[in-house]
Amino acid sequence: GAGVSQSPSNKVTEKGKDVELRCDPISGHTALYWYRQSLGQGLEFLIYFQGNSAPDKSGLPSDRFSAERTGGSVSTLTIQRTQQEDSAVYLCASSRQGTGTDTQYFGPGTRLTVL
Amino acid sequence: KQEVTQIPAALSVPEGENLVLNCSFTDSAIYNLQWFRQDPGKGLTSLLLIQSSQREQTSGRLNASLDKSSGRSTLYIAASQPGDSATYLCAVCNQAGTALIFGKGTTLSVSS
Repeated sequence: GAGVSQSPSNKVTEKGKDVELRCDPISGHTALYWYRQSLGQGLEFLIYFQGNSAPDKSGLPSDRFSAERTGGSVSTLTIQRTQQEDSAVYLCASSRQGTGTDTQYFGPGTRLTVL
Repeated sequence: KQEVTQIPAALSVPEGENLVLNCSFTDSAIYNLQWFRQDPGKGLTSLLLIQSSQREQTSGRLNASLDKSSGRSTLYIAASQPGDSATYLCAVCNQAGTALIFGKGTTLSVSS
């Protein structure tokens, strides 16, 4: 079946602009995760959604970052007033239940470049 | 704060060799440990997931072990092939089951 999809695959923006990154999880997966991968920092957790529960936002680096998940499916990660240090690959993952027992399936990522 | 370390950072071996990748973590209060593979420009592919109550998992030529008390895991790859060339990432799941904490990976190159 279809895997996790993300769009756009690449995004180049100017410093100070807002960007939106989209994630479509695997159908039927109730848990959705955002991570980012930057040079020198490795992969960092950003946010976790599970069903109708309040999201775990503990990994968001600043209040310029926010995410929502509409209808328990598609998620959008928004970065306001982008900075050069926001340049990274943003990865989305989903899992069936998100209880920690499930494998997380990752999308191909969105490469964000802030000029 | 949980920290995950992978050694070595890079490894080059000839085809056919057996090899071991190492992962260590500082906090033994984990939900599970997972090994992933990442190919250049692509997302992550899950290889093995070991629950905190388990000691090892096997899939084909791959075997992963977990010693939670000492904060260590190893990924054993038997009879390596050029197609195994990739970056291998170790990640521990926090006790709440909500987030993976990743190491920086081991980049493996298998030459034919």
